Amino acid sequence: DTAVSQTPKYLVTQMGNDKSIKCEQNLGHDTMYWYKQDSKKFLKIMFSYNNKELIINETVPNRFSPKSPDKAHLNLHINSLELGDSAVYFCASTLDGGRWGEAFFGQGTRLTVV
Amino acid sequence: KNQVEQSPQSLIILEGKNCTLQCNYTVSPFSNLRWYKQDTGRGPVSLTIMTFSENTKSNGRYTATLDADTKQSSLHITASQLSDSASYICVVTEGNAGNMLTFGGGTRLMVKP
Repeated sequence: DTAVSQTPKYLVTQMGNDKSIKCEQNLGHDTMYWYKQDSKKFLKIMFSYNNKELIINETVPNRFSPKSPDKAHLNLHINSLELGDSAVYFCASTLDGGRWGEAFFGQGTRLTVV
Repeated sequence: KNQVEQSPQSLIILEGKNCTLQCNYTVSPFSNLRWYKQDTGRGPVSLTIMTFSENTKSNGRYTATLDADTKQSSLHITASQLSDSASYICVVTEGNAGNMLTFGGGTRLMVKP
């Protein structure tokens, strides 16, 4: 039973396309996140949702739009994809807003924009 | 600006040897510090968590230390195994309402036979 699952695992698409990455957690956590891991392996937070409400929105282009239909799901939609969007995107979740809870990560989605 | 810096960036050791990874942070206010292990192609997995009052915590062959005064942490791996080859990421949680996680750049460890 996968705790945090992302789909798809790999995504290759052309510049200008619109794509979505889905994330689901079955841990009953209240907070979910999207992180971007660039080629230098730095993990940078993009968004954080607590009980379906946006609480962190770092400086990311507005082409990126998160959607949380319920607290178990946090999807990431990207419009007009650019070459620089190529990276690995990780979804994560925590309990208690992350104060003490361990962050559980999905396996990542490797996005390649060509 | 809150930052987490790790050293070395990469490390190669022989199987059975010990090694120590370093983490310095400027995150404030501080809530806790975690070390994560990230295998290639996988998401990070937590190894250990350190709170302000804790100095040392062990998890099998992994021992983490924390000096909250100097804002430094280390992860010591004893009797390394081939399966320890991975990236080790230091993550500091801010002690505020947002509980922002700040990630270090990681240390890439390779254990060779």
